[in-house]
Amino acid sequence: EAGVVQSPRYKIIEKKQPVAFWCNPISGHNTLYWYRQNLGQGPELLIRYENEEAVDDSQLPKDRFSAERLKGVDSTLKIQPAELGDSAVYLCASSFRTQGGNTIYFGEGSWLTVV
Amino acid sequence: AQSVTQLGSHVSVSEGALVLLRCNYSSSVPPYLFWYVQYPNQGLQLLLKYTSAATLVKGINGFEAEFKKSETSFHLTKPSAHMSDAAEYFCAVSASGSARQLTFGSGTQLTVLP
Repeated sequence: EAGVVQSPRYKIIEKKQPVAFWCNPISGHNTLYWYRQNLGQGPELLIRYENEEAVDDSQLPKDRFSAERLKGVDSTLKIQPAELGDSAVYLCASSFRTQGGNTIYFGEGSWLTVV
Repeated sequence: AQSVTQLGSHVSVSEGALVLLRCNYSSSVPPYLFWYVQYPNQGLQLLLKYTSAATLVKGINGFEAEFKKSETSFHLTKPSAHMSDAAEYFCAVSASGSARQLTFGSGTQLTVLP
């Protein structure tokens, strides 16, 4: 079974430039998450989708970050314009149901460096 | 509201020695608890999870953890460390019920010495 797929794996951009990350969740998983992981810290939730609806985006910096999940499958996370502090790993994850005990499966992450 | 505290950002053990990684949680409702491992340049992989069944949970790679409600702890152990166990370990908590909010600790970097 294919896992959560993310691209690109690595991206280096200059500040003020835009960047986009793509995620394909595990087949059949209706819940999709975007997390941000700063160096030396645990992941922090940015946004959670149930099918195509964003049900929790309270931690998403909406002035520069946007996300979409068209057709309830793949998702894209965009940053425009990027700032130096956005350098982090952006992790996509998915799970089958929104229940506390269900396992969340993570992709390998998209590593962003803003210079 | 829920939170996780991982005691010790770095832990070093000798190969063959006991591994003990500490995790304490805070949750206003009965929690579900998880341990994830992250190898360099990779995503997070689930080691084990507690979801209100047996308090002693066995996971992959010989790891296990015990849920202790009275101590609000969920420490991760392995009897004998291997070099391949060197990685970063994250404890996470989510509230039982319908809403899924997975909150992570800050991680513990495990070094295994030859």
